[in-house]
Amino acid sequence: QKEVEQDPGPLSVPEGAIVSLNCTYSNSAFQYFMWYRQYSRKGPELLMYTYSSGNKEDGRFTAQVDKSSKYISLFIRDSQPSDSATYLCAMSHPLYGQNFVFGPGTRLSVLP
Amino acid sequence: EPEVTQTPSHQVTQMGQEVILRCVPISNHLYFYWYRQILGQKVEFLVSFYNNEISEKSEIFDDQFSVERPDGSNFTLKIRSTKLEDSAMYFCASSVPTSGSSYEQYFGPGTRLTVT
Repeated sequence: QKEVEQDPGPLSVPEGAIVSLNCTYSNSAFQYFMWYRQYSRKGPELLMYTYSSGNKEDGRFTAQVDKSSKYISLFIRDSQPSDSATYLCAMSHPLYGQNFVFGPGTRLSVLP
Repeated sequence: EPEVTQTPSHQVTQMGQEVILRCVPISNHLYFYWYRQILGQKVEFLVSFYNNEISEKSEIFDDQFSVERPDGSNFTLKIRSTKLEDSAMYFCASSVPTSGSSYEQYFGPGTRLTVT
């Protein structure tokens, strides 16, 4: 079983739609959860960072963590064509120090 | 806004040659990292560096790899004898380990390494 899984997509939505991106993981020790956005041939850009369970909101983005289900989500409201990118989840736990385990990414395409 | 920079953006080298990839982390950051991403695959951790020494490394980071902080601003990754399978994007990242932001790693734009 892979440590962190994501639906690779591509996920295509019309502009203005609400987008839901998800990751599942197998290691219950993960405590820190991050979402990165990566444009083609660019470095990952940090979007959201959460610790343990719960929700966090930042503008059009909301991150949710459900540790009991080992499931995290990123919601994008009022999606824009500029949101078209690959979205990576990453996670870490104290045994790993600050080293992240990344998911394979979900490719999102927002159509104008 | 401060950012991580990397040079060169693209490096082509022949198999067996040594390469050095360079990074300038964000100035007040204390932890530095290298990751790689083979085309079409996930981002993989290589090594973390703190207080002038390696704090963690992955199985990928074997004896062919080394890291150095030669001065107060640069952070380098050296591959001694490149192999075809070292072809990938190499990302440098940095973070500042203060409360609430220890896991906010900021990535550079990457260096695309092509080994022929």
